[in-house]
Amino acid sequence: NAGVTQTPKFQVLKTGQSMTLQCAQDMNHEYMSWYRQDPGMGLRLIHYSVGAGITDQGEVPNGYNVSRSTTEDFPLRLLSAAPSQTSVYFCASSYHGAGMGGELFFGEGSRLTVL
Amino acid sequence: AQTVTQSQPEMSVQEAETVTLSCTYDTSESDYYLFWYKQPPSRQMILVIRQEAYKQQNATENRFSVNFQKAAKSFSLKISDSQLGDAAMYFCAYRTSGTYKYIFGTGTRLKVLA
Repeated sequence: NAGVTQTPKFQVLKTGQSMTLQCAQDMNHEYMSWYRQDPGMGLRLIHYSVGAGITDQGEVPNGYNVSRSTTEDFPLRLLSAAPSQTSVYFCASSYHGAGMGGELFFGEGSRLTVL
Repeated sequence: AQTVTQSQPEMSVQEAETVTLSCTYDTSESDYYLFWYKQPPSRQMILVIRQEAYKQQNATENRFSVNFQKAAKSFSLKISDSQLGDAAMYFCAYRTSGTYKYIFGTGTRLKVLA
């Protein structure tokens, strides 16, 4: 059982480049989300999805796009990377069925540096 | 809007001693969930413990327990018999029941001294 898989784990970009962070989960979770973690700021929600074809913005969505064509995958796209997007990114999923606590299951994180 | 506050950026504890990490939150909801997550140097986020607001009994998981004070909106984590492997960043998180929105605190870095 792989859980939540994120790739790549590390990436260096130049300002203006685009890239996609991949996220896949094999637990049939309806909820998937992307967070960024910055020192002293905890985890901030970028975008989330409650099912295939349904996405919504979180706290810090600017500069990022998402789509959810399948239950399993939830890629995060950086359209034109900026130094302010240097961060550690986490994908997380959860299941909110009856009797379930809905805790988040996290990927291992992706460290992105924008020069 | 809901908020989660962790007022201790860093804490230290001697090995085998007990330490308590504090977390307060603000919400007007009555039904919600609270979580503590651990992030060791490996960066992996690991669920430590979960508390349902409708349960008066404090959650426990082995050496980890919480002191949940609903009226005071406080959710502290107690780690007993601290071990070197407990050294990590600890995040408190909140979710209103029936929603998908999770709110995280800024974290407390715990150092365990040998």
